[in-house]
Amino acid sequence: DGGITQSPKYLFRKEGQNVTLSCEQNLNHDAMYWYRQDPGQGLRLIYYSQIVNDFQKGDIAEGYSVSREKKESFPLTVTSAQKNPTAFYLCASSILAGRPDTQYFGPGTRLTVL
Amino acid sequence: DQQVKQNSPSLSVQEGRISILNCDYTNSMFDYFLWYKKYPAEGPTFLISISSIKDKNEDGRFTVFLNKSAKHLSLHIVPSQPGDSAVYFCAASQNRNAGNMLTFGGGTRLMVKP
Repeated sequence: DGGITQSPKYLFRKEGQNVTLSCEQNLNHDAMYWYRQDPGQGLRLIYYSQIVNDFQKGDIAEGYSVSREKKESFPLTVTSAQKNPTAFYLCASSILAGRPDTQYFGPGTRLTVL
Repeated sequence: DQQVKQNSPSLSVQEGRISILNCDYTNSMFDYFLWYKKYPAEGPTFLISISSIKDKNEDGRFTVFLNKSAKHLSLHIVPSQPGDSAVYFCAASQNRNAGNMLTFGGGTRLMVKP
C-alpha cells in the first residue's frame, strides 16, 4: 500500500525547543517537499529535495532545516529560530523526470507552540 | 507577489447544482495546472489537472477549463454533492530545471448544502 506518512499527527512544543517532523514515502519518488499552511492561507514551500543528499530552500526556509539521507525520508526540523512555528505542516513527493507535475501529499502534522 | 490567486475565499452551492471555482494566474510561463481538494486536518488530494496545450479536461463530475489568453482556469463540479464540501486549491507549474515546483493559490472553501 504505497503512500506518504507523516508523524506525529499532533505535536506540541515549548518555546525555545527544536522539534523534528517525520515524512516517509514508499512511492519511489525522487523529489520531496515540505509546505506550511496557516489558517485561511494557501501552501507555502519551505524546502524541497530532488535527490538524496541534496536539498534547496523554498520561499520560507528561515528557521527550518532538513536532511535527505535516504530516498524515502525527508525530515523537517523546526528550530527555535522560527518566529511563528504554530502551523499545519505538509510533506509531499513527486516523480522528478518528465511531466506531469503532480505532487502527492501526506496527512500533515499540526504543530502547536505553547 | 501572488502568482496564483483564488479571489473567492468561499462558495456555497445547493446539492445537485453546479459549483464553479475560479483561479487566476499572472506568470505566462506556467504550462501545467492542477486542482487539489483538502479536508480539515488532512493533506490535499490531487483532483484533476490540465496542460496548457488543452483548454478542457474532464474526469467524471469534474471538469477543468483553461483560458490562456485570460490567464484563468476554472473547476466545474456537476452535480455537486455534500461530500464535495472542502477547500479547493489550484496550483500551477512551469517546466524548468528546478523540477516540479508548484505555486498554490490561497484556496476556496466550498460548502454544498443538502
